[in-house]
Amino acid sequence: KQEVTQIPAALSVPEGENLVLNCSFTDSAIYNLQWFRQDPGKGLTSLLLIQSSQREQTSGRLNASLDKSSGRSTLYIAASQPGDSATYLCAVSLWETSGSRLTFGEGTQLTVNP
Amino acid sequence: GAVVSQHPSRVICKSGTSVKIECRSLDFQATTMFWYRQFPKQSLMLMATSNEGSKATYEQGVEKDKFLINHASLTLSTLTVTSAHPEDSSFYICSARVEVGASPLHFGNGTRLTVT
Repeated sequence: KQEVTQIPAALSVPEGENLVLNCSFTDSAIYNLQWFRQDPGKGLTSLLLIQSSQREQTSGRLNASLDKSSGRSTLYIAASQPGDSATYLCAVSLWETSGSRLTFGEGTQLTVNP
Repeated sequence: GAVVSQHPSRVICKSGTSVKIECRSLDFQATTMFWYRQFPKQSLMLMATSNEGSKATYEQGVEKDKFLINHASLTLSTLTVTSAHPEDSSFYICSARVEVGASPLHFGNGTRLTVT
């Protein structure tokens, strides 16, 4: 059974700081890995999707890397802003589901202080 | 971009009543949609996979007679919580994708259900 762990559970940083969120998974036979952002009481916003054959994806100040063999992914946020405050979730899907069924980590709650 | 709309965003009902939640793909067709549940300070757990024109596939431990799913068209899936109890109070979120495989899953804004 796939298990996804995110560290740290919570993180508080001053504005402008670069930061790294970590995600690990137990079954390396993943189809893809997706990073999401969730604001309080809201749904999920997809940030980055990394296919199993890819090593990283970038979007603006965000960069996600994937090391499938070691079961790890990181989300790098550059020059953090108060608007980045949210819970960040990573989720993986396995090959046999063709990327459809996601297993989520419990998230990292990020607070960026002005 | 692909948009998934969920309605209502918030509902309060009395114990024993039924509640219907709608999930619509606004600008694409989705043969498959997914229903998740999220308890406070916990992550999302997949409840069921909704298949257009056929029966839903439920995850282990999810009561199919309690959580009725209907996927009557390529743009609409509904989740009905029947005979709701206070322990059913949770945040329910649906998701869909434009095409199977490489495209990301898009999520609705969720429905906060409170059963009194």
